[in-house]
Amino acid sequence: QSALTQPRSVSGSPGQSVTISCTGTSSDVGGHNYVSWFQQHPGKAPKVIIYDVSKRPSGVPDRFSGSKSGNSASLTISGLQAEDEADYYCCSYVGSYKVFGGGTKLTVL
Amino acid sequence: QVQLVQSGSELKKPGASVIVSCKTSGYTFTNYAMNWVRQAPGQGLEWMAWINTNTGQPTYAQGFTGRFVFSLDTSVNTAYLQISSLKAEDTAVYYCAREAVGGFDHWGQGTLVSVSS
Repeated sequence: QSALTQPRSVSGSPGQSVTISCTGTSSDVGGHNYVSWFQQHPGKAPKVIIYDVSKRPSGVPDRFSGSKSGNSASLTISGLQAEDEADYYCCSYVGSYKVFGGGTKLTVL
Repeated sequence: QVQLVQSGSELKKPGASVIVSCKTSGYTFTNYAMNWVRQAPGQGLEWMAWINTNTGQPTYAQGFTGRFVFSLDTSVNTAYLQISSLKAEDTAVYYCAREAVGGFDHWGQGTLVSVSS
């Protein structure tokens, strides 16, 4: 299973919005609605912030939103805050398997 | 509350073996699949396998067959990852992650396995 494609880095100023893309194929991202997004701060375990393309676990601010179109999923973070600076990973089911994206480093300027 | 507590860091020599444990609490162990994820230094997340906690049957990602063994002890609600014939490139943080509907909802804190002569 090939890794999903994410931009290596994105940046934005506090209060702005940023979008991180996650591109796969019709076998993974495009084939169902089981796409998750994880936030990982340095030295910490990943934390789920979006699951099933656009659902937010309880406790995750509504500044985080997810969507999908065709073989690509997107994570949008609005009203950027300093604490949003982290690595972000998408993840998709591929039949019985899972595959992660390569990760995107978000810098809050 | 749901907790996944992993064993501590390990420093091993090439060719040795290591066992990483993931002890769970706060939920019914057999109601959720368990996954393992690797993160090499400075690299991204890499999915390794998932284990059916009812049957103990693992499903491995490509590249994690042979030297990697995933197992369970349901009597102590614990999942295990054993890596044999360790190589320098196995140096990484290994995470266990509970799989709920929609994906991985709880993660262990990670276990650093360092392989060096």
